[in-house]
Amino acid sequence: IRMTQSPSTLSASVGDRVTMTCRASQSISSDLAWYQQKPGKAPSLLIYGASGLKSGAPSRFSGSRAGTEFTLTISSLQPDDFATYYCQQYTTYPYTFGQGTKLEIE
Amino acid sequence: QVQLQESGSGLVKPSQTLSLTCTVYGASISSSSYYWSWVRQLPGEGLEWIGYIFYTGGTNTNPSLRSRLTMSVDPSKNQISLQLRSVTAADTAVYYCARIAENRGWFDPWGQGTLVTVSS
Repeated sequence: IRMTQSPSTLSASVGDRVTMTCRASQSISSDLAWYQQKPGKAPSLLIYGASGLKSGAPSRFSGSRAGTEFTLTISSLQPDDFATYYCQQYTTYPYTFGQGTKLEIE
Repeated sequence: QVQLQESGSGLVKPSQTLSLTCTVYGASISSSSYYWSWVRQLPGEGLEWIGYIFYTGGTNTNPSLRSRLTMSVDPSKNQISLQLRSVTAADTAVYYCARIAENRGWFDPWGQGTLVTVSS
């Protein structure tokens, strides 16, 4: 299953509301996770089951699903949020990831 | 708090075998509730799932790597291991180990990763 993320790069400012998208090439139900990765660090789980927020993750992060299109929203950007975000499907083997959306400071 | 730590050869010659170990701290690798997985990140690119292993030794692997891949588990050392044969420069990547809960599919937590370079 191919996972396509858009945009590849997103420029925004602290306090902005931002949205990024992940589209699956076929139905994956809600078997989608979102990860945040900072330079030189491992990815870190944010969202599972398309909209479940990992315990301890900031509540400004939310996920949603509309068919095969998934959205990660950050309600009010904080300086710590500038990173690369990846989606991952786990409905079918092999598990696959999107190519990432890099969130940059505008 | 569960922590995973990768270790192994950082430089491998082409055609040789890449060998990595992941040690789990704060949890038993023999738990029937979790699978233990490998994921790699090619330079400047995205993430690729390599496979996972259960404490019984059962595995599920990515078909793109399956013919070159061996995964094993050592419950006595609370470790899993990865061997990738006949490597090329295309296998140069940061290799991560990560945990998957049974009947789930997301990775949490991850190790810090280890860079493996394939070069003569």
